[in-house]
Order: sequence, then C-alpha cells, then structure tokens
Amino acid sequence: EVQLVESGGGLVQPGRSMKLSCAASGFTFSNYGMAWVRQAPKKGLEWVAYISYDGGSTYYRDPVKGRFTISRDNAKSTLYLQMDSLRSEDTATYYCTTEAGDYWGQGVMVTVSS
Amino acid sequence: DIQMTQSPSLLSASVGDRVTLSCKASQNIYKYLNWYQQKLGEAPKLLIYYTNSLQTGIPSRFSGSGSGTDYTLTISSLQPEDVATYFCQQYNSWWTFGGGTKLELK
Repeated sequence: EVQLVESGGGLVQPGRSMKLSCAASGFTFSNYGMAWVRQAPKKGLEWVAYISYDGGSTYYRDPVKGRFTISRDNAKSTLYLQMDSLRSEDTATYYCTTEAGDYWGQGVMVTVSS
Repeated sequence: DIQMTQSPSLLSASVGDRVTLSCKASQNIYKYLNWYQQKLGEAPKLLIYYTNSLQTGIPSRFSGSGSGTDYTLTISSLQPEDVATYFCQQYNSWWTFGGGTKLELK
C-alpha cells in the first residue's frame, strides 16, 4: 500500500524557519518526481515546489522562491521542505504528492503567527 | 501563469441527478487536466487524469471531457458519498488549480 506521511508542522513565529518531512512507502520513491502543495484554511490548492526523481531539478512558485527549499533523500524515501523567513500568508496545510497527483499525504498544518 | 476558473462555486443536486462541473483555462492546456475530489478534512483524491482517463478504483459514474480551454467533469448519477469539493488542475505549464466546486445534496 502506498503511503505518504508528512511531519514537522506546527506553530511558528513570523520570520522563523520550519522543516517538513514526507516519508514514502509502498512504491519506488526514487523513480518519481514529487511536489509540495498547500491549502490555506478554507481556500483552494496551490502548488509550492517540485523536485525531479533524482533531485537534479527543483522549481518553486514565485512567492516562495528564495525562502523555501525542496530536497529529497532517496535512500531514506523521504521528501523535505525547508521553509525560511516564514510569513503569515504561508499558513496552510501542506501536502506532499507524487508528480502525477495520484498519491497524497494526509497533510500537515503550518501556522505562522506571533 | 495559466488561470483556472471553475463554475459553479456551489452546486446543490439530488441523489440520482446527472451533475456537470465546469473548468475553464485562461489558455489552451492541450488536455493536460486532472480532476480531484476532496472531502472535508481529507487530502485530495485523483479522479480523472489527462481530461478523460479514469483513475484506478474510481467509480465509472465519474467521467471527464473537454479540449482547448474548456473541460467538464460529469457524475452520471449522484450518490450521497459524492458530497465533496471538486478541483480541476492544469499541468501543461507547471500546476494551477481551480478554485473548486462545492457539491452538496439538495
């Protein structure tokens, strides 16, 4: 059974950092591009960052460029999202998902507030 | 950036109804369109990929169609478990999601 399990969320002050993890199992993680998608409370879905299967290519939506870093450890079947200089508008549930969108984690809530 | 507009934002229908949800792209997305179902408190679930391909395990009452800038998700006979919010997503140029259609029972 395919599973994606996010962790690392919580409450953080504006300007501080937080790192999310997504542990994958049930499929060959190293064969798949992966992405982070977020959803602000009662809002729609927004793509945040993408990483290729081997980590060689990464892409970010404009509002998070220079602040967020997506990475992966294929030996550990784990995806990461390092979030620096957090802002209130980054408050959302963050989901990890496969490139095709066929598998999603359960989501982890990040709240940026003083 | 490609913008995706879904209509209506809220749809009320009865069990057994044929339901049609619309999604319009700001430019041609060459059928690179997915549909997702999201129930309250859950992650999105892929229903349809590449406009009209049914994801494994999804009931056949769900179908998709469209081309160019205009796309449709159809539920042939609405069931109570279909109450959810539905999102379209283009992947022709990165990813953009529509604002969603909330489907409720009348």
